[in-house]
Amino acid sequence: GQQVMQIPQYQHVQEGEDFTTYCNSSTTLSNIQWYKQRPGGHPVFLIQLVKSGEVKKQKRLTFQFGEAKKNSSLHITATQTTDVGTYFCAGQTYKYIFGTGTRLKVLA
Amino acid sequence: GAGVSQTPSNKVTEKGKYVELRCDPISGHTALYWYRQSLGQGPEFLIYFQGTGAADDSGLPNDRFFAVRPEGSVSTLKIQRTERGDSAVYLCASSPPGSYEQYFGPGTRLTVT
Repeated sequence: GQQVMQIPQYQHVQEGEDFTTYCNSSTTLSNIQWYKQRPGGHPVFLIQLVKSGEVKKQKRLTFQFGEAKKNSSLHITATQTTDVGTYFCAGQTYKYIFGTGTRLKVLA
Repeated sequence: GAGVSQTPSNKVTEKGKYVELRCDPISGHTALYWYRQSLGQGPEFLIYFQGTGAADDSGLPNDRFFAVRPEGSVSTLKIQRTERGDSAVYLCASSPPGSYEQYFGPGTRLTVT
């Protein structure tokens, strides 16, 4: 069946360093969404990408959707302690499949 | 405004019992999703409603799981003959018409002993 994998599983960075998580789908996606889940919290929507090769920015966050619409990435520039949490991608074919998540820890 | 609410926040039940989990979506949201999330994992899709009908129930693991949304608003996830493997956080999300953005509730933590 359809699978969505994310790497890395965990990432520890010093505050101020950059961070990137990668999302790969076994099948072509209609669109992809990114969510952030703080420890003990629920997923919070960040963004949706629809077009092949699309790039969107939100302040220090940059999201990309691959040309083949099978992969995506989230890059955070100059991480802050408030960036701590697990970042999930969710790819849609006919339903949403969430990735395995990347847990980010930021060391002050 | 009010977000998605879920009740109860925690539910402890014995193996073999029946449980109902409730989701109140954001007013006006037509799409409603149920997921379950185990520790350290991403949300696992269970079922998706568009209005009153289940548009996609392919994620329900077996026939012990059933969900309804009779009036197109509140939804109830029903689990019969609970098993220890059903223990997880059950998340509900809703989306407004014309949008794919999912607004998640705080979840119900189900523990089957």
